[in-house]
Amino acid sequence: GDKVKQSPSALSLQEGTNSALRCNFSIAATTVQWFLQNPRGSLMNLFYLVPGTKENGRLKSAFDSKESYSTLHIRDAQLEDSGTYFCAAEASSGSWQLIFGSGTQLTVMP
Amino acid sequence: AQTIHQWPVAEIKAVGSPLSLGCTIKGKSSPNLYWYWQATGGTLQQLFYSITVGQVESVVQLNLSASRPKDDQFILSTEKLLLSHSGFYLCAWSLREVFFGKGTRLTVV
Repeated sequence: GDKVKQSPSALSLQEGTNSALRCNFSIAATTVQWFLQNPRGSLMNLFYLVPGTKENGRLKSAFDSKESYSTLHIRDAQLEDSGTYFCAAEASSGSWQLIFGSGTQLTVMP
Repeated sequence: AQTIHQWPVAEIKAVGSPLSLGCTIKGKSSPNLYWYWQATGGTLQQLFYSITVGQVESVVQLNLSASRPKDDQFILSTEKLLLSHSGFYLCAWSLREVFFGKGTRLTVV
């Protein structure tokens, strides 16, 4: 099964609304990263998390290693937030692997 | 500031032809280096990682090979391309957080 299960797979939001993306891990993740991929393929780093929470502007992310999940909250969604969001977990086995979720395709509509 | 440069930006290659993709990282000493592959509309799959010059570990077998001839250089190659090699190839570096290059889009015809 999927080691990193990301949901939802796709999401449409009205501009100005809020939403949350989630990743569940079946591995013992030690760190989590969130990325936003634009249509050209470039990956923008959003968050790098050890267990805990971080906030950056309208984005907030949390990583709970005991319950094996991470969330990304988007507040007051803007058109430029559209793209594909990926979470990725580093396994505790020390195998230098970053395991990606399947992504959430977010469309923000005016 | 550290920069990561991938080349070429895009390639169209014939089945059975060789391939070489490159990546250089400037501004960081002895980073961990990675190659990832992404099918169109898919997720990212790690292919290789390297912790030090001359040492490369394979994560998945896709009839590709990688080498790290210098501290700041990572090469992905194959002698014979397959149709299934088409996709988006991303080089990345890390000391802790992982940072990606802009990628190479490969189409095998």
